[in-house]
Amino acid sequence: QKEVEQDPGPLSVPEGAIVSLNCTYSNSAFQYFMWYRQYSRKGPELLMYTYSSGNKEDGRFTAQVDKSSKYISLFIRDSQPSDSATYLCAMSLFSGGYNKLIFGAGTRLAVHP
Amino acid sequence: DAGVTQSPTHLIKTRGQQVTLRCSPKSGHDTVSWYQQALGQGPQFIFQYYEEEERQRGNFPDRFSGHQFPNYSSELNVNALLLGDSALYLCASSLTQITAGTGVYNEQFFGPGTRLTVL
Repeated sequence: QKEVEQDPGPLSVPEGAIVSLNCTYSNSAFQYFMWYRQYSRKGPELLMYTYSSGNKEDGRFTAQVDKSSKYISLFIRDSQPSDSATYLCAMSLFSGGYNKLIFGAGTRLAVHP
Repeated sequence: DAGVTQSPTHLIKTRGQQVTLRCSPKSGHDTVSWYQQALGQGPQFIFQYYEEEERQRGNFPDRFSGHQFPNYSSELNVNALLLGDSALYLCASSLTQITAGTGVYNEQFFGPGTRLTVL
């Protein structure tokens, strides 16, 4: 069993839709939960991170962590064609400067006009 | 700030050959991590360098080795290339700070990657 599971999609939605992306994990020691976005032929870029449990909102993006269920989510409101990318969840035991990131497989999202 | 840079952008090698990939970290960063991303997969951690030493290593064979220089730049070397080594190799830089338990995330910034094809 992989430490982090993520449905690879692809996910295709119309512009303006609410998108829900999810990951499950097995290591209860994870403390930091990140969402990275990766455009084609580019490296991943950090969208949001959450420390421990709870919700975090940044503009159209909301990240949720449920440590009791070992489940994390990213919601994108009012999705735009520019949101079309691969979304990677990642986790680490503590601060990213000094620890490896464990990634999910990534979910490919296409937002069509 | 140029961000994290990697070279070359992509290269093609044959089985059994050796390859060296290079990474320059973001200005002010002292830690470099390397990841391998196979097609359709998420990045997998190879190893991390700090103060010119390998600090952590993922589940990769000894054919994968690295180095960090005094200016914090880094190299990834892969010997005896296999077809399965074909992937995007990502370098990520960060700043090591003791912030465990504080909730502060020291972001790992990724470069654009080097795409390696082994024939």
